[in-house]
Order: sequence, then structure tokens, then C-alpha cells
Amino acid sequence: AQSVTQLGSHVSVSEGALVLLRCNYSSSVPPYLFWYVQYPNQGLQLLLKYTSAATLVKGINGFEAEFKKSETSFHLTKPSAHMSDAAEYFCAVTRSSGNTGKLIFGQGTTLQVKP
Amino acid sequence: DGGITQSPKYLFRKEGQNVTLSCEQNLNHDAMYWYRQDPGQGLRLIYYSQIVNDFQKGDIAEGYSVSREKKESFPLTVTSAQKNPTAFYLCASTEAGANVLTFGAGSRLTVL
Repeated sequence: AQSVTQLGSHVSVSEGALVLLRCNYSSSVPPYLFWYVQYPNQGLQLLLKYTSAATLVKGINGFEAEFKKSETSFHLTKPSAHMSDAAEYFCAVTRSSGNTGKLIFGQGTTLQVKP
Repeated sequence: DGGITQSPKYLFRKEGQNVTLSCEQNLNHDAMYWYRQDPGQGLRLIYYSQIVNDFQKGDIAEGYSVSREKKESFPLTVTSAQKNPTAFYLCASTEAGANVLTFGAGSRLTVL
């Protein structure tokens, strides 16, 4: 069965520092992987999606993620944090059915950016 | 602009009452989903519908009901049978055969 684990429920960085949010997945089939961002009291917005076309995926707002099959990881990074990056981030994986919106989400990581 | 509208944004309910959360989309998407969000637990799938007049249970359907009479609308009823209904509820949609979810802004339900 597919599952997602996000390491660290809270991550704090200084403005301008590297952002690294960790996600490990378990999947019995080649997965589609996603990162979504949620600002307070809002819905989720897609940051990026892995589809097997390329292992390094670039998303919006300067974020990117690298798919590493050997490590079953899909960590999210941004070279330089901005105050506006403070939000909750969710990693998600498709179920074996693949092309549906029935995603399995991680528990989320709250990113705090300090001035 | 196309999108998903959820209402109400905030809702308070007394124990024993049923409440219905509205979800309307003008994206012409075929599939619609309801997720529940609790702190530290991520999102969990309640119900989904891939076509009008058809819907399936997700992982945590007990105590919830839905209908899909129109392509644009997918209301969720939280019944009195739901033991712990206080949560943030998110409606989402996708095109047919797609897996990129578009989310509404959510409805926060609090049971008093």
C-alpha cells in the first residue's frame, strides 16, 4: 500500500537560508508525487508534481524537488527562504490507480521563516 | 475565473445536528472529492465522485453522506453519527483521468 512520511512537523529557518522539507514514500507501483502548500485557513495549492519525465522537478515560487528512487525520497528545497514562504507543506502520492485525485497525504510540515 | 467555492467558511454545530457543507465548481471537472484535515494528520479522503449520480466511499466515510446530482455540485453532509466532526473540510476536483487536485478554500466545522 502507498504511504507518505514527512520528517519533521515543524521546520524553522532564517530568511535567506536554505529550505529543506523531507518526504519519504512507499509505493508498490511507480508513483506520481506531489508537493502542495497551504496558507492559514486556505485550501491547498500545487507547488510541483513528479511524473517520471525528470527526477528534478521545478515548481512555483522557486521551489524544486528531487525524486530519488533508491532512497524512496522526494524532498522539497528552496535555496533562499522568503518570509512569504511561511506556510504548511504537504507531500502526497497517488494510489495504485494512478490517474485519480485519490491522493495519500503526509501529515504536513509547518515552515517558519524568521527575519 | 474558474474555481471551487465552499460555503460556509465557518460553521458551528450542536451535538446531534446534521450539517451540510456546500461545494460548487465552475471548472467543468468531472471528478470531485471531499477531504478532512486535522492538525498533525494531513488530509484524509471522505468521499469522491467521478461522474454525476455516482460516488464512492473514501477512507473515512462513516458518519458522512454526499450526493452528486449536478456536475458542478458535490455537497457533504456531516451527520450526527460522526463522532468527532470538528475539523477543516476541503473540497477538490480534477479533470477526468487526472490526478492534479484543485482545492476550494475549505470549511471549518466546530461542534459545540
